[in-house]
Amino acid sequence: NAGVTQTPKFRILKIGQSMTLQCAQDMNHNYMYWYRQDPGMGLKLIYYSVGAGITDKGEVPNGYNVSRSTTEDFPLRLELAAPSQTSVYFCASEGSYNEQFFGPGTRLTVL
Amino acid sequence: AQSVTQLDSHVSVSEGTPVLLRCNYSSSYSPSLFWYVQHPNKGLQLLLKYTSAATLVKGINGFEAEFKKSETSFHLTKPSAHMSDAAEYFCVVSQWGSSNTGKLIFGQGTTLQVKP
Repeated sequence: NAGVTQTPKFRILKIGQSMTLQCAQDMNHNYMYWYRQDPGMGLKLIYYSVGAGITDKGEVPNGYNVSRSTTEDFPLRLELAAPSQTSVYFCASEGSYNEQFFGPGTRLTVL
Repeated sequence: AQSVTQLDSHVSVSEGTPVLLRCNYSSSYSPSLFWYVQHPNKGLQLLLKYTSAATLVKGINGFEAEFKKSETSFHLTKPSAHMSDAAEYFCVVSQWGSSNTGKLIFGQGTTLQVKP
């Protein structure tokens, strides 16, 4: 099993640009999550999904969108990048005992 | 509402000495609790989890944690620190609400420094 994979590892965007952060898992987990981690902080939930076709907002959803067309994939879309979205983004999927398995992260800088 | 408080933002120990990272939680439900470790520029790795089975939970790399309901604590310990244990540690509670999703609430993190 590859677990949870994320691409790209790093990205620099200009203000107003758009991009999609990719996330995939091969554990057949229904629940998937997107978090952001700002320097020196814990993780904050952006969006989550309880299964294909079902998504919902987390704590900090503004400026982001998600879709879940398959069990495996959960992409995160930034439409109009802003400097406040400079962060490290983690995708996770949830196992049988509520434990979450995290991807390696995407480090995004918006200039 | 659930919350978690890590009582120390920074802990420094010498190699070979015990490690104690403190965590208190607040939960309206019977909680699921976790400790995650994050090495510099890496993702998060699950150390151990409490899901209402045994109150003393053993994890990877020699770490363990004890769930104490009366004290609402879930402190992480290790008998002997190794240099490779230097990292950021997060105490996490799983938030279950009406949507029945296991949304995680993270503590602020504790930086563990291990001195030679």
